[in-house]
Formats: sequence, C-alpha cells, structure tokens
Amino acid sequence: LAKTTQPISMDSYEGQEVNITCSHNNIATNDYITWYQQFPSQGPRFIIQGYKTKVTNEVASLFIPADRKSSTLSLPRVSLSDTAVYYCLVGDIEGLSGTYKYIFGTGTRLKVLA
Amino acid sequence: DAGVTQSPTHLIKTRGQQVTLRCSPKSGHDTVSWYQQALGQGPQFIFQYYEEEERQRGNFPDRFSGHQFPNYSSELNVNALLLGDSALYLCASSFPLAGGVTDTQYFGPGTRLTVL
Repeated sequence: LAKTTQPISMDSYEGQEVNITCSHNNIATNDYITWYQQFPSQGPRFIIQGYKTKVTNEVASLFIPADRKSSTLSLPRVSLSDTAVYYCLVGDIEGLSGTYKYIFGTGTRLKVLA
Repeated sequence: DAGVTQSPTHLIKTRGQQVTLRCSPKSGHDTVSWYQQALGQGPQFIFQYYEEEERQRGNFPDRFSGHQFPNYSSELNVNALLLGDSALYLCASSFPLAGGVTDTQYFGPGTRLTVL
C-alpha cells in the first residue's frame, strides 16, 4: 500500500507564512490532491484541491510539481485559530489488484504561537 | 444548505455487540464514503457507496458493512465489536468530477464510538 507522508508537527508565529508538504509517490493518474484542516473531535474541513501546478483560493495556495509526487499547502499569514492538524488526501491504485482507495497523509500538527 | 450530518454523535457499546451509524449527505451529493479515525491517527478509508452499491473498499474486515438508500443517505454497520473499533467514524459525501477518479469530499462531524 502506498505511503503518504507529512511532517509530524510544525510551529509558527502569528502573521507568518506556513508551508506543509505531503509526499504521495503512487498517486493515481487522474486523481486530484485535496487538503483538509481538522480540529479535535471534529470532521476534516476542506481547504483546497488541485491537480497540477498552482491553485489559490481565499484561504490557501497549493503547489504541485510536474511529477505530482508531492504537494505543498501554503497558508499565508497564519493566526492562532489556524492551530489544527492538516491532512492531504489522494487516491491510490494498488498495483496488483488495481483497487482504488483514498489515502490520507499522516497529518501535520500545526501550532501557531502568539 | 445543510452539510453532511451524522447520527448519533456519541455511542457506547460493549464487545461483541453490533452498531449502526447513519449519514445524510450534503444536498446534491450522491456518493458517500466512510472513514475510521483512531485517536491521534489520520482517517482510514473503509468503503464508498454510489448508486446504492459498494464501489470501493479499504482494508477492513467483513464485520464492517454498509448500505446506501435511494435518497443517498447511508449506514455503516459494524458487527462483533472489538475494543480496537473504538474511534471517530467519519462520513464524507461527494459528487464525482467529470473525467476524474477523485471527487471533492465534504465531511460530517463524525460519530464517536467507544467499545468497552
């Protein structure tokens, strides 16, 4: 089963830009990359989704290199309320069975300091 | 526009019992996926339902089964509960993107299951 990895934790100060990278070596060809934010005991909240190059919305940017084996979530000017766990989600196709599954990254615990 | 809803919010069961969790998708969505999230871990994909059939399945035993109704709502059933089944169970709904295998999934608040 393909592994999707992220840094376990990151600390940042208010007002700084934070970049979180996810590696996903076996991403399915037609698949998109989606990032979520999760607070304790809540469901993941959609942040941004992209296929390749760069995507930007009102809260974040997503950078995806040409080989699509990684992606970087960029949060501009974080605030205390951005303290949460951030996950990437990709689709993966297992080689032998051809089974398609959704794979969450290991999650990055972001702590924003005043 | 209501988002994804799940019931109940919390549930306590004992080993060997059976449990049913429920999910109503976001308006306009026809696909429902279920995930298990153990404490401190990322969500693990259980299965996905589309057109009332299981379309994809993760590495979960047959004790985990599901159902999707004509109104697109879904149930997750877990039989012969084990202590290790204690987790937050998440439901996500989506509408397939044209030409792609991934659709944007929107998650509900989850059901916290505790097995004693």
